[in-house]
Amino acid sequence: QITLRESGPSLVEPTQTLTLTCNFSGLSLTTNGVGVGWIRQPPGGALEWLGIIFWDGDKRYSPSLKTRLTITKDTSKNQVVLTMTNVLPVDTATYYCAHRDYSSDWAFDYWGQGTLVTVSS
Amino acid sequence: HSALTQPASVSGSFGQSISISCSGTSRDIGTYDLVSWYQQHPGKAPKLIISHVTKRPSGVSDRFSGSKSGNTASMTISGLQAEDEADYYCCSYAGSTTVIFGGGTKVTVL
Repeated sequence: QITLRESGPSLVEPTQTLTLTCNFSGLSLTTNGVGVGWIRQPPGGALEWLGIIFWDGDKRYSPSLKTRLTITKDTSKNQVVLTMTNVLPVDTATYYCAHRDYSSDWAFDYWGQGTLVTVSS
Repeated sequence: HSALTQPASVSGSFGQSISISCSGTSRDIGTYDLVSWYQQHPGKAPKLIISHVTKRPSGVSDRFSGSKSGNTASMTISGLQAEDEADYYCCSYAGSTTVIFGGGTKVTVL
């Protein structure tokens, strides 16, 4: 059974760097085709894809956010980390990590519960 | 790529069928058969209900179906049930290893 869980600060000050961790189980980020992506959702708003890291270390980012995002993985800890620099109040959102593999392709078939991050001074 | 376009809301009576449209462009929906749909209940994480335009993951009711024509994808819910009341998001691969979501549609069961 695949499970993912996001964790990180609930409150971040503007201009600071946000670091979120996705801990997962039931999947291996060394298995061919597996990827873990990040998606966010502002309060009352729509989903927005942020980026993804693949089993082979390849990373892809949303073009509109790529200068501020970094996604890394630690396969020994079963973790994926999202870093976002220079956060602003508009970055206030629930952040989700989610799984994909060759069968789901560019669909995310397992999601974490999400973690709400508020950007405010 | 701009977000995919969905109607803000769709409603239907119990037992009826409804369809939700998802309009994209030739750079995303029009080119790739990689449209997915997600159901999201309030306070919950999204749940994948359709992938690859028409495929239902194991455990998803066959009352949910998907299709695509040109640059527009659609999802139909047949035999509307109370538990279908939720937000629904379409999503498409958009080339260059990027993904875009729609703005979401709130489904109300009357």
